[in-house]
Amino acid sequence: EAEVAQSPRYKITEKSQAVAFWCDPISGHATLYWYRQILGQGPELLVQFQDESVVDDSQLPKDRFSAERLKGVDSTLKIQPAELGDSAMYLCASSLGGPGPYGYTFGSGTRLTVV
Amino acid sequence: AQKVTQAQTEISVVEKEDVTLDCVYETRDTTYYLFWYKQPPSGELVFLIRRNSFDEQNEISGRYSWNFQKSTSSFNFTITASQVVDSAVYFCALSEGGMKTSYDKVIFGPGTSLSVIP
Repeated sequence: EAEVAQSPRYKITEKSQAVAFWCDPISGHATLYWYRQILGQGPELLVQFQDESVVDDSQLPKDRFSAERLKGVDSTLKIQPAELGDSAMYLCASSLGGPGPYGYTFGSGTRLTVV
Repeated sequence: AQKVTQAQTEISVVEKEDVTLDCVYETRDTTYYLFWYKQPPSGELVFLIRRNSFDEQNEISGRYSWNFQKSTSSFNFTITASQVVDSAVYFCALSEGGMKTSYDKVIFGPGTSLSVIP
């Protein structure tokens, strides 16, 4: 069964350092999402790509977060500098089109701890 | 604006009891999708069900059943004869827009943590 690949699985970083997460969606999935899940809360959308274009980054803290999907395939989410409050699970998901009609598959996530 | 409410933060049941997880949603769209996901302690989000706004039929899958009522904007999830392996956080979620656009996103509720005690 096709999967959304994410790496690393776990990341510990010091405050003020840079950190990056990688996501490889299911082949052929045009839509890619990055979510952040703080412990005890539901996932919150950070950024949504349609192919290589950002279609929604309204919740992305742009002063420190950036995301790219240069060739419309895999994607990288970067935080620089990391802050203690960034400790969370970062989840990537992909879909053929919208999540409603086509379904939505999540990766296993990257658990970030900022110390 | 879309919103999902799961009023039950934590639920504990004894194994073999039935349990219902509540979900209430808000949307202005007439076309939307509702979801339930399970998140076990390992952390991955496991898809359980997707239901579109035009299909109000209740669904049963093994020990799981879902009751969708548009009149009360609710999409409740019942586990029958609960088992220890059902212990997880369960999220109800909503996606607006239907087929109009590919630019849809899923909004999650805060989750309900279910503990099934042996």
